[in-house]
Amino acid sequence: AQTVTQSQPEMSVQEAETVTLSCTYDTSESDYYLFWYKQPPSRQMILVIRQEAYKQQNATENRFSVNFQKAAKSFSLKISDSQLGDAAMYFCAYYAGGTSYGKLTFGQGTILTVHP
Amino acid sequence: DSGVTQTPKHLITATGQRVTLRCSPRSGDLSVYWYQQSLDQGLQFLIQYYNGEERAKGNILERFSAQQFPDLHSELNLSSLELGDSALYFCASSVDGQGATLRVNAEAFFGQGTRLTVV
Repeated sequence: AQTVTQSQPEMSVQEAETVTLSCTYDTSESDYYLFWYKQPPSRQMILVIRQEAYKQQNATENRFSVNFQKAAKSFSLKISDSQLGDAAMYFCAYYAGGTSYGKLTFGQGTILTVHP
Repeated sequence: DSGVTQTPKHLITATGQRVTLRCSPRSGDLSVYWYQQSLDQGLQFLIQYYNGEERAKGNILERFSAQQFPDLHSELNLSSLELGDSALYFCASSVDGQGATLRVNAEAFFGQGTRLTVV
């Protein structure tokens, strides 16, 4: 079964600084997607960034980038120039076909605090 | 706005009761997922429907059931409610629901959730 692990329950960063959130996963699939979702206090789940496993290039979306290490099954999120609005719970998620057949498997989440 | 609509936003009910949560997916999305988020369990996958058919099942209790209608909206029915069922229930939708077409946009878009409180 696929599992997703976020080993950092909480992280904090100063405004304008950079922070990296960690995620590891376990799978026997070769083709899959990885995502980072943000959940602010409003509880809305917002897609931050996605990575296709067959692509070697790391995904980037403005201040958000990932470090995807397929062999190590690691998928970290880097937030540059952190802003107060980045404060939220961040979830790493895995998606594949096969036995997981389209469901997203989430990690336990990391609470990010941004200090002014 | 994700385009996924969930109703109601909040629901308070007593133990032993039955409730129905409703989800309208984004236009064009065939797949609907239900997730439960409680304080100590994170986001747990309950069930997925694709174009009206059940596609995958997760940790869904026998007291819970779901269906997807011809217009693609979905309902999650929770019965014989217990205090421990209090949680945020999310619906998500995506274009794809079949592993064979993984190359299609795979991201799921979430509704705002229904906050269920069982008292």
